[in-house]
Amino acid sequence: EPEVTQTPSHQVTQMGQEVILRCVPISNHLYFYWYRQILGQKVEFLVSFYNNEISEKSEIFDDQFSVERPDGSNFTLKIRSTKLEDSAMYFCASRGDRRVSPLHFGNGTRLTVT
Amino acid sequence: KNQVEQSPQSLIILEGKNCTLQCNYTVSPFSNLRWYKQDTGRGPVSLTIMTFSENTKSNGRYTATLDADTKQSSLHITASQLSDSASYICVVSAMEGGNKLVFGAGTILRVKS
Repeated sequence: EPEVTQTPSHQVTQMGQEVILRCVPISNHLYFYWYRQILGQKVEFLVSFYNNEISEKSEIFDDQFSVERPDGSNFTLKIRSTKLEDSAMYFCASRGDRRVSPLHFGNGTRLTVT
Repeated sequence: KNQVEQSPQSLIILEGKNCTLQCNYTVSPFSNLRWYKQDTGRGPVSLTIMTFSENTKSNGRYTATLDADTKQSSLHITASQLSDSASYICVVSAMEGGNKLVFGAGTILRVKS
């Protein structure tokens, strides 16, 4: 069964550094998402992406965050200047074009900011 | 404010037993309700999706119910197995732009032998 893949599985970075989290969504999916989950807390929506542009973003997704689909397969989340509070599990997800279709999540990138 | 509340927060049951997890929501306007299973350190995996007109849906040993009038859902697990140990997350989709999902905090289920 096709799956969403994320790399790296774990990223350690120093405060103030830029990080890029990478995702390869399922190939025929059209809608792409980033979520984050701080340890022990609920999953939080960051941003949705469709037709090569952001369709919705949360208040968490400030100017430090950006997303890109640089080619036909990758979907990236960039954090320009990481803060300690950015430490979390970041999940990429994708879905097909039916109005009600399941989100397929990757296994996440654990970001640790020191 | 759109919210999803789940109970209990955690649950321990013996292998082979049944259990029921609860979800109450205040998301409006409602589009659909989803149950996900999240193993430790992994991404959530979809179990069921129910729209307004559906009040029950099964996926193997998992059966979800939905009462859109009272804004409640339950997930019933039959004949639990050790591999059912995970966090079960109720997620409600609002019809506001982009099909935004509102996540509950999850119920942590531990099945022991």
